[in-house]
Amino acid sequence: EIVLTQSPATLSLSPGERATLSCRASQSVRTNLAWYQQKPGQAPRLLIYDASDRATGIPARFSGSGSGTVFTLTISSLEPEDFGVYYCQQRTNWPPNSFTFGPGTKVEVK
Amino acid sequence: QVQLVESGGGLVKPGGSLRLSCAASGFTFSDYFMSWIRQAPGKGLEWVSYMSNSGGAIYYVDSVRGRFTISRDNAKNSLYLQMSSLRAEDTALYYCARVSGNGAFDLWGHGTIVTVSS
Repeated sequence: EIVLTQSPATLSLSPGERATLSCRASQSVRTNLAWYQQKPGQAPRLLIYDASDRATGIPARFSGSGSGTVFTLTISSLEPEDFGVYYCQQRTNWPPNSFTFGPGTKVEVK
Repeated sequence: QVQLVESGGGLVKPGGSLRLSCAASGFTFSDYFMSWIRQAPGKGLEWVSYMSNSGGAIYYVDSVRGRFTISRDNAKNSLYLQMSSLRAEDTALYYCARVSGNGAFDLWGHGTIVTVSS
C-alpha cells in the first residue's frame, strides 16, 4: 500500500504570501497525483491532477510540480479564499485498484 | 446542472445496515467510474470503494471489504453503497465522487452523514 505524507501539518501565512505544500509518497506514483482544497463545511474541490495540470476553473496562482515520490503544491500569492485544508491523493495503475489520500495540510491565517 | 446528490445516511446501531444512494445529473453517468469517499468527524479523507463505468471493476479499502457493497444503475444514473456489519469507526460523512480519466475525483456531492452508535 502506498502511503502519502504531507508537510507541514499546518502553515500559518498572511494574504499575499507564497504557500509551499509538500506531499511525499512511500513509493513512486509517477505523476498519478492530485491535489484538493477543502473549506469548512464544504466538499473537497479538485485543484490539480496528473501532478501539474490545473483543473477547470482553477486560478493560475495554484501550481503543482513533482514526479515519483516528491510533489509540491504552490500558491503564488494567497487570497483570503485560499485558507483551508489541502490534500494530496494518488492512484495506482489504470484502471486503479486503490486510491490514497494524504493526511492534509491546513493553511491558516497568520 | 452537473451534480451529485447523496442520500440515505442516518443513525444506526453497531452491527446494523444502511444503504446510501447517489443521484447523478448533468453528465453521462455511464461514461464514468464512480467512487465513495468518507471523512470521519474532524479527520481527513479516506477512499472507500469504486466501480468502473460498466461495473466490471470493483475495489474496496481493506477496512470495509466483505462488509460494504458498491453498485450502480446506469439507467437510473445512480450509485449505491450497501453497508452492513457497521462499526463505530464507520461513522463519517460519506461522499459520492466522479472519477476522471486521470484518476482524480473531479466532481463531489455534498455528502450524507452516517452515525454508528448504540
